[in-house]
Amino acid sequence: DTGVSQNPRHKITKRGQNVTFRCDPISEHNRLYWYRQTLGQGPEFLTYFQNEAQLEKSRLLSDRFSAERPKGSFSTLEIQRTEQGDSAMYLCASSSRTSGDTQYFGPGTRLTVL
Amino acid sequence: GDSVTQMEGPVTLSEEAFLTINCTYTATGYPSLFWYVQYPGEGLQLLLKATKADDKGSNKGFEATYRKETTSFHLEKGSVQVSDSAVYFCALSGGNTDKLIFGTGTRLQVFP
Repeated sequence: DTGVSQNPRHKITKRGQNVTFRCDPISEHNRLYWYRQTLGQGPEFLTYFQNEAQLEKSRLLSDRFSAERPKGSFSTLEIQRTEQGDSAMYLCASSSRTSGDTQYFGPGTRLTVL
Repeated sequence: GDSVTQMEGPVTLSEEAFLTINCTYTATGYPSLFWYVQYPGEGLQLLLKATKADDKGSNKGFEATYRKETTSFHLEKGSVQVSDSAVYFCALSGGNTDKLIFGTGTRLQVFP
């Protein structure tokens, strides 16, 4: 069990640029979640996949955000035309019934939009 | 909608003191309840959980009991250590997707 991994760990970009983050879940986990955490706050749910199907999206996820999990393994989160308000830590978590539905989190990708 | 409220920090304690961090929730149905911990420079880790009323979750000397009648899941530890200094998040999940809803977090600082 290598845990959930996320890349990159840090991303600095200029306003208006597009960015893409990757999450590799624990290998046998079929559920994958994205959250966003801003300073001094708890993580907020963004979206959820079961296998390759995206089953729920938060209203926080504007049209500039898109997430995919094409083969039911890794996932990508893309933000188009970044804004300063997008600066946050983006967290990925995975779970399965065999893990007791416990979500295991990756280290996160810290995005800074200048 | 569902929500979690936890006490504001920071909580500052001396080593070996008793710790309580309050957490209350609002939810439809019967959620599962969690405490996650975030040590400095590290990712979120599950500390303990409880899936039904009156269940007690415990780990590393920490305990929390699922109280349906008071909609609470307070975190306690009898004797804190400096190494317990971290941010603690109370969370709930429920429904079809099991997404987690977190509180705002409580920073604990333990001094020798």
